[in-house]
Amino acid sequence: GAVVSQHPSRVICKSGTSVKIECRSLDFQATTMFWYRQFPKQSLMLMATSNEGSKATYEQGVEKDKFLINHASLTLSTLTVTSAHPEDSSFYICSAREEKAGRLNEQFFGPGTRLTVL
Amino acid sequence: GNSVTQMEGPVTLSEEAFLTINCTYTATGYPSLFWYVQYPGEGLQLLLKATKADDKGSNKGFEATYRKETTSFHLEKGSVQVSDSAVYFCALTSRGSGTYKYIFGTGTRLKVLA
Repeated sequence: GAVVSQHPSRVICKSGTSVKIECRSLDFQATTMFWYRQFPKQSLMLMATSNEGSKATYEQGVEKDKFLINHASLTLSTLTVTSAHPEDSSFYICSAREEKAGRLNEQFFGPGTRLTVL
Repeated sequence: GNSVTQMEGPVTLSEEAFLTINCTYTATGYPSLFWYVQYPGEGLQLLLKATKADDKGSNKGFEATYRKETTSFHLEKGSVQVSDSAVYFCALTSRGSGTYKYIFGTGTRLKVLA
């Protein structure tokens, strides 16, 4: 149980294009999902907290117009990197929290999406 | 604010050696503590967790004990294998603002040689 998937696993795009990454909770409902960015050989940096049916909460320094987050259902959140540039190349990881008493403090992670912008 | 400090890597060990990766934390209240493992090119997998003081999390031969008096959650394994080569992240979460955000350590790369 508590499986999170991400799609695509890898994407290569040209500079200036937009890329959408999907994060799905497969066997549970997730009111809250999280988006992280990981640079090579570094830790995870929280970008934003995605809340179903409401606006995402972005961490300081993260451009909300650059990284659009939509959490339209209890099992799906999307991250769109708009007008991508080479510096946006990174490993993006999502996680989801199961809205169940006793499980609120644990996140389940997706396998990650490797974005390369040429 | 809350923080997690991990020992810097990389850590290189021979197969069957004893492993310790240190993790200490700073947090208000009563955080939950986690160890995650990341294999090359993959996402994070939960290795073990502990939710209150003196709890011991264990999985696949790895153990860590929640020590509130020393604010530590050190990861140990008695006999490592080549397949344990990965990056290990210590993390905590607490109620904080109500969203239970994770705070991650910087990660420790482990390389086990045959």
